[in-house]
Amino acid sequence: EPEVTQTPSHQVTQMGQEVILRCVPISNHLYFYWYRQILGQKVEFLVSFYNNEISEKSEIFDDQFSVERPDGSNFTLKIRSTKLEDSAMYFCASSEIFSLGPSSYEQYFGPGTRLTVT
Amino acid sequence: LAKTTQPISMDSYEGQEVNITCSHNNIATNDYITWYQQFPSQGPRFIIQGYKTKVTNEVASLFIPADRKSSTLSLPRVSLSDTAVYYCLVGLHSGNTPLVFGKGTRLSVIA
Repeated sequence: EPEVTQTPSHQVTQMGQEVILRCVPISNHLYFYWYRQILGQKVEFLVSFYNNEISEKSEIFDDQFSVERPDGSNFTLKIRSTKLEDSAMYFCASSEIFSLGPSSYEQYFGPGTRLTVT
Repeated sequence: LAKTTQPISMDSYEGQEVNITCSHNNIATNDYITWYQQFPSQGPRFIIQGYKTKVTNEVASLFIPADRKSSTLSLPRVSLSDTAVYYCLVGLHSGNTPLVFGKGTRLSVIA
């Protein structure tokens, strides 16, 4: 079964440093997403990406965050200057559109990158 | 966006059927009901989705009454490996609609 992969599995960085989290979505999927989950809290939407541009973003996704699809397979999340409160599990997800049938779809999540900011 | 309410936690013994109910009183006509499962330190995983009546797959069943103001996820004969957080999501779920997760129901299966 195809799956979303993420690297690294764990990233430790110092406050103020830039980090790039990497994801390889499922190959025939068209929509890509980043979510995060602070320890013990809800999974929160950050951003969605389609056709090489941001489709939607949440209030969390401020100017410190950016996303990019640098080639045909990778999807990255960059945090320019990390803060302590950025420590969380970051999940990448992807989905495809069903052009026929019911208006429904599922998002496939990767295993996550645990970001620890010290 | 329809607000959902589900129990914070549930306990069950192995081999029992578990039913988790979700309330969504202000569900819109075009909204679907979707359940995700999340194991510790893993990403959420789609379990089942439905619009009305009953949907069944190899993992679970989803019961939706005619008024659609609630839904019940049924897990037959749970095992220890079913210990996870279960999320009920209600929304249009088409195109690139972001998923909005609540706190979910933490299911603990005991031997």
